[in-house]
Amino acid sequence: TQLLEQSPQFLSIQEGENLTVYCNSSSVFSSLQWYRQEPGEGPVLLVTVVTGGEVKKLKRLTFQFGDARKDSSLHITAAQTGDTGLYLCAGSSREDTGRRALTFGSGTRLQVQP
Amino acid sequence: DTGVSQDPRHKITKRGQNVTFRCDPISEHNRLYWYRQTLGQGPEFLTYFQNEAQLEKSRLLSDRFSAERPKGSFSTLEIQRTEQGDSAMYLCASSLAIVPEAFFGQGTRLTVV
Repeated sequence: TQLLEQSPQFLSIQEGENLTVYCNSSSVFSSLQWYRQEPGEGPVLLVTVVTGGEVKKLKRLTFQFGDARKDSSLHITAAQTGDTGLYLCAGSSREDTGRRALTFGSGTRLQVQP
Repeated sequence: DTGVSQDPRHKITKRGQNVTFRCDPISEHNRLYWYRQTLGQGPEFLTYFQNEAQLEKSRLLSDRFSAERPKGSFSTLEIQRTEQGDSAMYLCASSLAIVPEAFFGQGTRLTVV
């Protein structure tokens, strides 16, 4: 069974601060996706990382895929109140490429205070 | 809007009743997934279809749950004899088989009283 562990579970910071959240697994993933989810809504895709060591930037968000394709991180610079939400990582196992649905972590709940 | 559509958005039902949810995927997507999410957790995989074929079912999917995708278009998820433990957000997602990204609908919030 693939497990994706996310840390921290909860994070409360002030507007303007930087933060990093992590997604770790013992399995190798062919790709990892990051989603953001607001209360009462479905997850919204932010980015997909595919290549080990890959770094992708989306405005103030920086995503990194570990060299061994077992972990990923999301760094937010100068957080804004609009960044508040549940950040989920999800992956497709390398062993099951083309067949298996995404496995999700339990998420990091981010609260950005004004 | 050509995103994933789910209906209803909210459903309150009495324990023991049957409920059915509908999902309309993005039109060109051949894969469709159902997930369940409880408070404070990430989505848990239930089942998925490629076209009309149901290719995988999670052990979470008890005999009271059934999903269909006739003609490979929309899908329905039925829960029979609902229990309080079925209360959750039921999420549908769709994707193309050749890419890893899945796109989610807004979900159906089920409350069993």
